[in-house]
Amino acid sequence: EAGVAQSPRYKIIEKRQSVAFWCNPISGHATLYWYQQILGQGPKLLIQFQNNGVVDDSQLPKDRFSAERLKGVDSTLKIQPAKLEDSAVYLCASSFRRTGWEQYFGPGTRLTVT
Amino acid sequence: QQQVKQSPQSLIVQKGGISIINCAYENTAFDYFPWYQQFPGKGPALLIAIRPDVSEKKEGRFTISFNKSAKQFSLHIMDSQPGDSATYFCAAFMYSGGGADGLTFGKGTHLIIQP
Repeated sequence: EAGVAQSPRYKIIEKRQSVAFWCNPISGHATLYWYQQILGQGPKLLIQFQNNGVVDDSQLPKDRFSAERLKGVDSTLKIQPAKLEDSAVYLCASSFRRTGWEQYFGPGTRLTVT
Repeated sequence: QQQVKQSPQSLIVQKGGISIINCAYENTAFDYFPWYQQFPGKGPALLIAIRPDVSEKKEGRFTISFNKSAKQFSLHIMDSQPGDSATYFCAAFMYSGGGADGLTFGKGTHLIIQP
């Protein structure tokens, strides 16, 4: 079974530039999550999708972050414009809704904003 | 507000010893308490999980002990091996019946097993 795929793996941008991350979840997983992991901390949930609908985006900084999951499969997370404090690893995870505590994480995208 | 507090921040254990990581939570509505293991450059991977109505769960060398009255739980790694060197996160999960049910993570414990 293929795992959660993410790209790119690394990205370096200057502040005020824009960036996008892509995620392909495990086939059949209806629930998709985006987490932000700042160095030395645990992942923090940004947004949760159920199929192609947003379940919760209460911790997503909506003035600069946006996310979509077209057709209920792949998802993209965008930051525009980026700030220095956005430097982090962005993790995508997927799960079966009924066992949502068992989440499968991708390798993440390490973003550095200079 | 941090809902899951984890300690210690870092831990060094000799090969063959027992590694113990502790967590405490505040919200009694949590339904599941998983532990995730993360190696450098990788995403977290589920290690073991426990429901709050169970006091202990063992899988191989990994054991979760759960104290519901104290709102605390811990991970014990028996016969610790160098390959266990990683960052460990405790987490809490709550079913919301249609709303958000993501994981709330602790800050992590960086474990080093010395050969």
